[in-house]
Amino acid sequence: AQTVTQSQPEMSVQEAETVTLSCTYDTSESDYYLFWYKQPPSRQMILVIRQEAYKQQNATENRFSVNFQKAAKSFSLKISDSQLGDAAMYFCAYRSGSYGGSQGNLIFGKGTKLSVKP
Amino acid sequence: ETGVTQTPRHLVMGMTNKKSLKCEQHLGHNAMYWYKQSAKKPLELMFVYNFKEQTENNSVPSRFSPECPNSSHLFLHLHTLQPEDSALYLCASSQDQAGLYGYTFGSGTRLTVV
Repeated sequence: AQTVTQSQPEMSVQEAETVTLSCTYDTSESDYYLFWYKQPPSRQMILVIRQEAYKQQNATENRFSVNFQKAAKSFSLKISDSQLGDAAMYFCAYRSGSYGGSQGNLIFGKGTKLSVKP
Repeated sequence: ETGVTQTPRHLVMGMTNKKSLKCEQHLGHNAMYWYKQSAKKPLELMFVYNFKEQTENNSVPSRFSPECPNSSHLFLHLHTLQPEDSALYLCASSQDQAGLYGYTFGSGTRLTVV
């Protein structure tokens, strides 16, 4: 079964600086999808960025970018020019590229709590 | 506007009570999900519905009973809960069960069982 590990329970960054959140996963598949979700105090999980495993190019969304290392099964999230509104729980998630049954469900890590200092 | 609306936002119930959580989406999505979020644990998938049909029950105790009357609405009926069932219950939806573009989540119901 696939697993997702976020080894940093908490992280802190100074406003306007850059922070990297780590995520590793375990899978025997070659086709899959990876996601980063943000959960602010409002509790709604918001999709931050998505990566398709068969694409070598790292996904970017404005200040958010990923470092996808397929061989190392690593999927870290870099937040540039951190803002106070970036403070939240961040969850890494994996989805199999297979269809049907439970293979299509998202598997989440335990999350990293990010604090942003003014 | 989240696209997925959950009510109530907070719920406190006794172990002998019966209550229901409601989830509603008008995104045109056909798959809906219930997740349980407990502190310091990964999100736990509870139920999956695709085109109103339950496609997955992730070994959830029978004191949790889901209902999906149509593709826009999802309920979670609760009865005879235990204190360890206290958690944030999140509803999510996706275009279909493939969910290749991720899910849209609601803001959850914070449930406390006393």
